[in-house]
Amino acid sequence: QVQLQESGPGLVKPSETLSLTCTVSGGSISSYYWSWIRQPPGKGLEWIGNIYYSGSTNYNPSLKSRVTISVDTSKNQFSLKLSSVTAADTAVYFCARVDGYNSHFDYWGRGTLVTVSS
Amino acid sequence: SYELTQPPSVSVSPGQTASITCSGDKLGEKYAYWYHQKPGQSPVLVIYQDNKRPSGIPERFSGSNSGNTATLTISGTQAMDEADYYCQAWDSSTGVFGTGTKVTVL
Repeated sequence: QVQLQESGPGLVKPSETLSLTCTVSGGSISSYYWSWIRQPPGKGLEWIGNIYYSGSTNYNPSLKSRVTISVDTSKNQFSLKLSSVTAADTAVYFCARVDGYNSHFDYWGRGTLVTVSS
Repeated sequence: SYELTQPPSVSVSPGQTASITCSGDKLGEKYAYWYHQKPGQSPVLVIYQDNKRPSGIPERFSGSNSGNTATLTISGTQAMDEADYYCQAWDSSTGVFGTGTKVTVL
């Protein structure tokens, strides 16, 4: 059974960079796409971007200038960096596996709350 | 940017049928996916590729997609189906989620 676990600071200061890592267990990171999705408190889901195990990426155009997603196949991990954060970036951040190109999210992490505040 | 619009809320009596719509430009030309999410939990896939059910999802969940609208139907709704529901599609290589629908089982 594939499992995903997000990790990283729960509190980030405004203007700084949010950094999260998703560790994949129970399966290989190879041959799949992997996504970051976020959900502000009380609001809906927003796709941030994804990465193929080979390293190719696609980002949400509304966040593209601030987002970097990377992968470390040796550690079975992929990571998110979001720069110049504001209070609007406060959200639960989920990592998820994409079951093929432009396919569904079949496995999700539990999510981690990141609060942007000084 | 591509948008998917859902009704904010749907109410249904136990045992009745709930229908949730998802509207987007030429959505029928794309695959639609549906997820439900209960408070404090991660989303769970209930329909993929318009009308396929993942293993473990009850037969009462079904989907369709045509024109500009995808529809998730819950037949014989149960109290456990009360949750937020999100549609999702891909516009080129950009993931898009619907605005979400809260299903209340009265």
